[in-house]
Amino acid sequence: QQQVKQSPQSLIVQKGGIPIINCAYENTAFDYFPWYQQFPGKGPALLIAIRPDVSEKKEGRFTISFNKSAKQFSLHIMDSQPGDSATYFCAARAAGNMLTFGGGTRLMVKP
Amino acid sequence: DGGITQSPKYLFRKEGQNVTLSCEQNLNHDAMYWYRQDPGQGLRLIYYSQIVNDFQKGDIAEGYSVSREKKESFPLTVTSAQKNPTAFYLCASSIGWGGYNEQFFGPGTRLTVL
Repeated sequence: QQQVKQSPQSLIVQKGGIPIINCAYENTAFDYFPWYQQFPGKGPALLIAIRPDVSEKKEGRFTISFNKSAKQFSLHIMDSQPGDSATYFCAARAAGNMLTFGGGTRLMVKP
Repeated sequence: DGGITQSPKYLFRKEGQNVTLSCEQNLNHDAMYWYRQDPGQGLRLIYYSQIVNDFQKGDIAEGYSVSREKKESFPLTVTSAQKNPTAFYLCASSIGWGGYNEQFFGPGTRLTVL
């Protein structure tokens, strides 16, 4: 199975809140889990990524939590800002450099 | 400036016509990719190329064709056989195929079939 399930589809938080986006997968061959951020009319850009031998990775206000046994991973955005309003995609890599993407989460951070 | 360029930004096509989307990169990357993005469905892989003069089908290749005659160029043709071509098309590249190689995306082409 190549599917990556992402939730929620949309999310609204107040400035300073901590939005959490969740992803789940079935394929145990996945070995790299990146998150991409996409602004309207633009291509996605890599935000942060994690490998399954690590349970948590933090870069600035962005944190990935990874639960290998549950086959789930999540993105937390600390002290969210209106400029974080974008669509976020989780992804998972299997053979070669092929990525399978989740369906995306549209985040709105209200001032 | 290094990066990926896609042209045109917007493209309108009549039903039954083939159309070619351009993707160029000056990052000296070996691998290139084409994705289709539809609302609520994330990105789906159409074709990928690990190296010049080579390409393979992705998950949704039917109705599309590609070529990779030059390292920096990976054009995508949307043929009349593609049943529902209206979508946002994204090109990406990575330094190589094996290993944890970040995929860099272009700004996309929005195709609308009239």
